[in-house]
Parts: sequence; C-alpha cells; structure tokens
Amino acid sequence: NAGVTQTPKFQVLKTGQSMTLQCAQDMNHEYMSWYRQDPGMGLRLIHYSVGAGITDQGEVPNGYNVSRSTTEDFPLRLLSAAPSQTSVYFCASSPPKGLAGNNEQFFGPGTRLTVL
Amino acid sequence: AQSVTQLDSQVPVFEEAPVELRCNYSSSVSVYLFWYVQYPNQGLQLLLKYLSGSTLVKGINGFEAEFNKSQTSFHLRKPSVHISDTAEYFCAVSDLGGSQGNLIFGKGTKLSVKP
Repeated sequence: NAGVTQTPKFQVLKTGQSMTLQCAQDMNHEYMSWYRQDPGMGLRLIHYSVGAGITDQGEVPNGYNVSRSTTEDFPLRLLSAAPSQTSVYFCASSPPKGLAGNNEQFFGPGTRLTVL
Repeated sequence: AQSVTQLDSQVPVFEEAPVELRCNYSSSVSVYLFWYVQYPNQGLQLLLKYLSGSTLVKGINGFEAEFNKSQTSFHLRKPSVHISDTAEYFCAVSDLGGSQGNLIFGKGTKLSVKP
C-alpha cells in the first residue's frame, strides 16, 4: 500500500490564483481530512469527509472547498489564493469508527504552499 | 468544546537524559488521546494512543505516556533520549461521541537532543 499520497510537494502561487491540492489513499478508509500547519499553531482542521459524497467544515474552512466523489480521493481547492494561506497542508485518513484504529489518522507527506 | 495545551513549546535535553513532554486537555466528554511525532520536513507519525484500559501506554521508539483522568493530562516520557529523537511532538484529542476521526491538536513541542 502507498498509504496517503499528496501532490504536489511544493507550490508557489500568486495572490488570486486558484489551484487544487490532491490527496489519495489506497487503504479503503472512509474518513479523510485536511489540516493546515502553521508555526506555533499546531495543526488545524480545514475540512473533513466521512465518506463519498459527504463533507463538512472544520475549524478554518474559509477560502477552501472540498468534494469527495470517490472513497480514494479528497482534493482541496483554493479558489482565490491569499498570502494568509501560505502554509503546509496535510491530508489524513482513518478507518471507520469502531474498527481497529479507532480514530487513528494516517498522514500524507504534506504540500508546502507559498502565496506571494 | 475540546482543547489541548502543550505546556512547553521547546524542550532542550542532552543525549541519554530522560525527558517528559507535557500535555493537558479539556473536554466535557470521554476522549481518545494521541501523541504524534513529526521529523523535519516530514508528515506526522503516530507514537502512541490511549483508547481505554491501562492508563500507561507504550509506543514506538521507547516512548510511553500516562493518562491521568483526574488531572486531565497525558504526558509523554522517555527514560533515555537519542539524537534521532529530535523532532516536533504533537498531543491530540478526539472525543468518543463526536464526528469520526476529528482531532484537536496542541501547538506542538520541539524536542532538541544535544550531544
């Protein structure tokens, strides 16, 4: 298994540009999520999904959109990038609640985004 | 609402010395507790987790943590650290009845092991 994969690893955008951060997992996990990591702030939840077709907002959803058309993929879209969105973005997945793992999340390697 | 407080943002320690990274949480319901480690320029890796049962939890790389419900703490310990333990450590909490999988993270503790 490749686990959780993210592309690209690095990206530089100009203010106002849009882009999609890709996330895929091959573990058949129902739950997937996006976090952003900023220095001294820990990880903050942006959006999450409990299954295909179901998404919901986390702590810091403004400026980001998500969709979940398949179990494997959970892309994160920046509609109009702003310098405040400069961050490292992590995607994570988790097996269904009640099964082995109980909320243990598996993280991807991250995407480092800079918005100029 | 839940919250996690990691009491030290940075912890410098000499190689082979013991270390404790402190974590306190706040929640009105029962929780699961986790410690993750992030090595430089990498993603997060699970060190250990507390779900139920014994309050002393052993994880990878010789780390252990003790759940203390009365003090709402989940401190991480290692009796003898190595240079390779230099990393950032995150404590996280997830409530038992809430949205599946949502984690609330502390702000992290940077462990720096010096020779």
